Amino acid sequence: GAGVSQSPSNKVTEKGKDVELRCDPISGHTALYWYRQSLGQGLEFLIYFQGNSAPDKSGLPSDRFSAERTGGSVSTLTIQRTQQEDSAVYLCASSLRTSGSGETQYFGPGTRLLVL
Amino acid sequence: QQQVKQSPQSLIVQKGGISIINCAYENTAFDYFPWYQQFPGKGPALLIAIRPDVSEKKEGRFTISFNKSAKQFSLHIMDSQPGDSATYFCAASAKSGSEKLVFGKGTKLTVNP
Repeated sequence: GAGVSQSPSNKVTEKGKDVELRCDPISGHTALYWYRQSLGQGLEFLIYFQGNSAPDKSGLPSDRFSAERTGGSVSTLTIQRTQQEDSAVYLCASSLRTSGSGETQYFGPGTRLLVL
Repeated sequence: QQQVKQSPQSLIVQKGGISIINCAYENTAFDYFPWYQQFPGKGPALLIAIRPDVSEKKEGRFTISFNKSAKQFSLHIMDSQPGDSATYFCAASAKSGSEKLVFGKGTKLTVNP
């Protein structure tokens, strides 16, 4: 079966430009997460979507970052006015989020963003 | 504030040896502790996970040991193989809210043939 897919796989942009990163979660997964993986910082939570509930945006590092999830499926992470410190791998994960806790989060391959 | 501390940062083991990676956490609300394995250019993949109601969980060559009172947990890889060479991340999440994963900074494991 298809896993989490992300596009593009690599993105090179110039400082100050906007970028959009896309995530297609596993079909039927109601929960979707974005994480950022940068050298020396490990994996950091950015934002969480669950069904029609208000997203948990507590991990977004600045107001230049935003994300949306349309129709409970595909999600787009947008970074406005990119800075060099935004260079990282952006990972998307999805999970079933049934009534129990500790559902496995399945990660996509990530988008490698380089801001010049 | 780093909520999950992982050590060592890197580890070199001979084939057939035991690899041990340790993690410590601070937040007593954490109730789910997964370990993820990541190969270069790939996303992390769940290896094994444990809840605090058990002290040990074993799946094949991989074992998690959990010490709730010390707020520590560790991954043991028995009979380590060159194919196990990867970066390993411990993580933790709490039941409430988003159940976002809080990750350790990772351990790069190299298993020499």
